[in-house]
Amino acid sequence: DTAVSQTPKYLVTQMGNDKSIKCEQNLGHDTMYWYKQDSKKFLKIMFSYNNKELIINETVPNRFSPKSPDKAHLNLHINSLELGDSAVYFCASSRRGAQMNTEAFFGQGTRLTVV
Amino acid sequence: GENVEQHPSTLSVQEGDSAVIKCTYSDSASNYFPWYKQELGKRPQLIIDIRSNVGEKKDQRIAVTLNKTAKHFSLHITETQPEDSAVYFCAAYSGGGADGLTFGKGTHLIIQP
Repeated sequence: DTAVSQTPKYLVTQMGNDKSIKCEQNLGHDTMYWYKQDSKKFLKIMFSYNNKELIINETVPNRFSPKSPDKAHLNLHINSLELGDSAVYFCASSRRGAQMNTEAFFGQGTRLTVV
Repeated sequence: GENVEQHPSTLSVQEGDSAVIKCTYSDSASNYFPWYKQELGKRPQLIIDIRSNVGEKKDQRIAVTLNKTAKHFSLHITETQPEDSAVYFCAAYSGGGADGLTFGKGTHLIIQP
């Protein structure tokens, strides 16, 4: 029973297209995230979202937008795709305490290739 | 915001020897420090974590130490085995800025048979 699942696993698309990646968690966590892992394997936070607030990493272009229909889902929409957007995108979730965080569980990743 | 430095970027050890990976962080408000293991083509998975009110934690062959004063923490793997070969990431959580975890750049651990 997968805890955090994201689809698709692979996505190949042309420059300029708009695409979405879906993410769902069945852990009952209150916070979900999107991370980007580049070709050098560096993992960087893009968004943090719970039912109260969206926190955006200031380096993320506004072509990227998270959409959450409910607490268990956080989808990633990308407009006007560029070559530099090629990377592996990981969804994750955790339960945030008042002052401390808990373990983040990751989805299996979506390898996005822009051609 | 938080900044996490991780060393070395690549570590090669003989099977059965110990491996140590070191990280430093910048935000004194950080209070949670997990370590993730990522095998090729797989998702990062938590192997051990430590909170700021603890100095050391051990789980079988894996241990983590935290020095809050110096703002550094380390991962120790003893009696290394071939299945320990992977990329290891340290991370810190402070709850500020973009929230979520700030990761180090990863260490590629290679276990030589």
